[in-house]
Amino acid sequence: SQQGEEDPQALSIQEGENATMNCSYKTSINNLQWYRQNSGRGLVHLILIRSNEREKHSGRLRVTLDTSKKSSSLLITASRAADTASYFCATVSNTGNQFYFGTGTSLTVIP
Amino acid sequence: EAQVTQNPRYLITVTGKKLTVTCSQNMNHEYMSWYRQDPGLGLRQIYYSMNVEVTDKGDVPEGYKVSRKEKRNFPLILESPSPNQTSLYFCASSTAAWQPQHFGDGTRLSIL
Repeated sequence: SQQGEEDPQALSIQEGENATMNCSYKTSINNLQWYRQNSGRGLVHLILIRSNEREKHSGRLRVTLDTSKKSSSLLITASRAADTASYFCATVSNTGNQFYFGTGTSLTVIP
Repeated sequence: EAQVTQNPRYLITVTGKKLTVTCSQNMNHEYMSWYRQDPGLGLRQIYYSMNVEVTDKGDVPEGYKVSRKEKRNFPLILESPSPNQTSLYFCASSTAAWQPQHFGDGTRLSIL
């Protein structure tokens, strides 16, 4: 399987703190995407970073990509209780059309 | 409203009884995909479709069939369901394989 992995599996922080989660993947990629999933619901796309980009920002989200290490990180700044969810990275290889999701990080933000 | 609609949302059935989970999108997307989500394993792609009449296997296609006769619909068929197919299933669509995907709300299947 070419499924990626995320680290940590679970993260618990206080409201206002920053949350960082990491993703490692296995193949050369076209882009890497981050998704959020509220408990039992469908995933929602957060941000996409192309393979030739190293960093991208969207509101309180900051994503980095290191293609030499095949890794990415998602930083959520000034977290809120409403950020409590599972976060997944996903990649599409540059040689195919399959989507590969990581195993996810479960984030709990304590009010 | 742009959406991906899956039906049913919940289903409990028995081993061997054929079932179909429907998926429809109203965004004129070319790429559609089915995933299953199991605890600790994240989402794994079952099948995907690049366009009408074009389908291909994902990571875990065994025991599943799909068809893409129309652009908007991408049903998932379990011809002879087994208990190891008990899972949460998601349909998704996008303008292209590498573009952000729009997900349905999921179908929780329990096969006894």
